[in-house]
Amino acid sequence: AQKITQTQPGMFVQEKEAVTLDCTYDTSDQSYGLFWYKQPSSGEMIFLIYQGSYDEQNATEGRYSLNFQKARKSANLVISASQLGDSAMYFCAMREHEGATNKLIFGTGTLLAVQP
Amino acid sequence: DTEVTQTPKHLVMGMTNKKSLKCEQHMGHRAMYWYKQKAKKPPELMFVYSYEKLSINESVPSRFSPECPNSSLLNLHLHALQPEDSALYLCASSQEVGRNTEAFFGQGTRLTVV
Repeated sequence: AQKITQTQPGMFVQEKEAVTLDCTYDTSDQSYGLFWYKQPSSGEMIFLIYQGSYDEQNATEGRYSLNFQKARKSANLVISASQLGDSAMYFCAMREHEGATNKLIFGTGTLLAVQP
Repeated sequence: DTEVTQTPKHLVMGMTNKKSLKCEQHMGHRAMYWYKQKAKKPPELMFVYSYEKLSINESVPSRFSPECPNSSLLNLHLHALQPEDSALYLCASSQEVGRNTEAFFGQGTRLTVV
């Protein structure tokens, strides 16, 4: 079963505007972590933001914020004031508690293109 | 130092060759990972090492052989690969304890099997 779902294969946004990238997840675990990563064409996976399942407040990191709706099992990434350098692939990921392991599972990604 | 360093950045190898991918981190992380990523696909987990011991092998073919010589190094030995093994191979590390820890990734090795 798909654990992480990103339904937007691609998104366009105008420079300086905000954009929301969707992510839904499926888990029976009560304790888990949700992550967003950015992957430019160079290939490196860049960590952006983290949300813990017990965190009551939405995570924020600079221009990135995570809209966490636990009941809906969604963890959407909001990028404010988009910049040309934000053009990249964005992956939502989840880490479940499975014994002592640290399995990080990725969604299929959303390709974001920021237009001038 | 928050870097994960992977070498080489690019590798072209024949199906009869033996090569190794290397990964190094000096953040004191005790979990290290190998991921395989095909073009336009998400990374797929291959192996997880926890405290220098293999804790997860995602049914990876034996032509891929991981090795963790110490807490800072992770190798992936390649032998008799197939063209379909061509991909971006990403190494990552994270703190072992707790699940609220992000994984730091290297820039990857772009492998082409000819």
